[in-house]
Amino acid sequence: SAVISQKPSRDICQRGTSLTIQCQVDSQVTMMFWYRQQPGQSLTLIATANQGSEATYESGFVIDKFPISRPNLTFSTLTVSNMSPEDSSIYLCSVVQTNYGYTFGSGTRLTVV
Amino acid sequence: SQQGEEDPQALSIQEGENATMNCSYKTSINNLQWYRQNSGRGLVHLILIRSNEREKHSGRLRVTLDTSKKSSSLLITASRAADTASYFCATVDSWGKLQFGAGTQVVVTP
Repeated sequence: SAVISQKPSRDICQRGTSLTIQCQVDSQVTMMFWYRQQPGQSLTLIATANQGSEATYESGFVIDKFPISRPNLTFSTLTVSNMSPEDSSIYLCSVVQTNYGYTFGSGTRLTVV
Repeated sequence: SQQGEEDPQALSIQEGENATMNCSYKTSINNLQWYRQNSGRGLVHLILIRSNEREKHSGRLRVTLDTSKKSSSLLITASRAADTASYFCATVDSWGKLQFGAGTQVVVTP
């Protein structure tokens, strides 16, 4: 199955700033997703990162707040913009492969102060 | 948005006992999967059951699926302290998107 490198693994950021999270996959994958996991909660799908086109966002998530890039089939970034303490969460990227199912990155633990 | 509910929210058992958790979902699915997460780390895929399957086994894990009731259960037999984790069900819709349930936090004490 694919190996995902996600970074940074954690960060502490000031409110009002932005953080870009990177997700690098060791093989080409068609579908890549970004999730948020708020403290003590389950995972919520933010968006599907589409290669060569705009990401598809789930209800409650907007591009201005969570811009996503997907320049090729092995890489994607998620930016958390104009952060507030409510954005403190774990952010995870995920890919799906036909023969291996879904694989998750190790996550980025974000704390906004 | 999350797909469904899981119960119980938390489960505390002794080593050697069985742990059962349930998951309900709302929409039509292609398959349902169970994942484990240790202490807020990355997720580990445990088992997948397709919509045309009713039961599946993998080692100490047994999963059932009832599409008429839109529900699934995960049974961990002969639990071990290392099974302490959060367990999530997740459904895959026709678009290939994985949506997670609320999760069950399992604590296995020696």
